[in-house]
Amino acid sequence: GAVVSQHPSRVICKSGTSVKIECRSLDFQATTMFWYRQFPKQSLMLMATSNEGSKATYEQGVEKDKFLINHASLTLSTLTVTSAHPEDSSFYICSAPRGGTNEKLFFGSGTQLSVL
Amino acid sequence: DAKTTQPNSMESNEEEPVHLPCNHSTISGTDYIHWYRQLPSQGPEYVIHGLTSNVNNRMASLAIAEDRKSSTLILHRATLRDAAVYYCILREYGNKLVFGAGTILRVKS
Repeated sequence: GAVVSQHPSRVICKSGTSVKIECRSLDFQATTMFWYRQFPKQSLMLMATSNEGSKATYEQGVEKDKFLINHASLTLSTLTVTSAHPEDSSFYICSAPRGGTNEKLFFGSGTQLSVL
Repeated sequence: DAKTTQPNSMESNEEEPVHLPCNHSTISGTDYIHWYRQLPSQGPEYVIHGLTSNVNNRMASLAIAEDRKSSTLILHRATLRDAAVYYCILREYGNKLVFGAGTILRVKS
């Protein structure tokens, strides 16, 4: 079964509204989570690293005021797309590392955001 | 982040083995070689990873060159469900995973 749960799987919103995406680690704690976005026919692009109890680390070119990340607990990270516009329409995916020394990442099933 | 080079696409027949190559000539001593795959409209799925020695698991095998500048993911018997984009990624322990373009694997019945 899934070890990382992402919700919602699909969301359609009007331009100017904000959308929150949740990422939960199931049965394990994740002090770090990663957020990606993916446009059609393209690879995943890392947006930010979410750190429990502290500020997220954003990749170059990603607007931190546009994509708000909160990692308030060891099992939940949220990504809020604020004042969404059609160009924010994309597939958003979260991931969390689980394991010991050689940790592997588990990914959520993704959220398809469509902004009208 | 160290870069990897993979073929854009490959094709295989069902029930036959598939060898997916990956070049990583600038790999550092602390980089792990990770493989993930992504089916359409889904998040990526972990396949296998290794550091220096060849690795086997129930999904695949990973053959790592002695100089670690290349590796090969081996699917022993391809099925239609193996059709996906396969990503070869170098990752330092604990660090973020940065995806390249990957290889689109098509499996013919």
